[in-house]
Amino acid sequence: EAGVAQSPRYKIIEKRQSVAFWCNPISGHATLYWYQQILGQGPKLLIQFQNNGVVDDSQLPKDRFSAERLKGVDSTLKIQPAKLEDSAVYLCASSLDGTGLSGANVLTFGAGSRLTVL
Amino acid sequence: DQQVKQNSPSLSVQEGRISILNCDYTNSMFDYFLWYKKYPAEGPTFLISISSIKDKNEDGRFTVFLNKSAKHLSLHIVPSQPGDSAVYFCAASKGSNYKLTFGKGTLLTVNP
Repeated sequence: EAGVAQSPRYKIIEKRQSVAFWCNPISGHATLYWYQQILGQGPKLLIQFQNNGVVDDSQLPKDRFSAERLKGVDSTLKIQPAKLEDSAVYLCASSLDGTGLSGANVLTFGAGSRLTVL
Repeated sequence: DQQVKQNSPSLSVQEGRISILNCDYTNSMFDYFLWYKKYPAEGPTFLISISSIKDKNEDGRFTVFLNKSAKHLSLHIVPSQPGDSAVYFCAASKGSNYKLTFGKGTLLTVNP
């Protein structure tokens, strides 16, 4: 099966500019996640969608970050305006069953979008 | 508040020997624990998981051990191979909120 697709792979912008990342999850996966991975840290969940509804966005900096998942498939993560500390890899992941009823909730990750804010 | 901790940033082992990667957690509500492997410029890939009702799970060269009383788990790789060189992340999830909380990762280097 095709994996999780993300674009762009790399983006360099100046602070206060805006940027958008796109994610196409594995077909049939109901749950979609955006994680932020800062260099030297583990991935941190920004937002979780179940179909096109938000399940958890408690760690999303809502003053500058926004995300949507129209029609319950593709998703876009936007940062506006960007700050220096937003430099990170933005990982999109999807899972078949976000409730974990069938056991461990195994996420499949995309390759990530690396953002550098100058 | 770091709920999942990997205290060793790096580990170096010889090919053919055992690699042991450690992970500690603070939240006793975690139900599942997972290990992910990450190569440079790629996303993390799932390796192995264990439920809190078990103390061991094995898959080929990879075995995960869980000690609930110590809130500690470990990943054993036997025998280690150069292709195992990667960053290994420990992750945990709890209850009906199945988001994963990750540790900072351990860079494993397997020397030929």
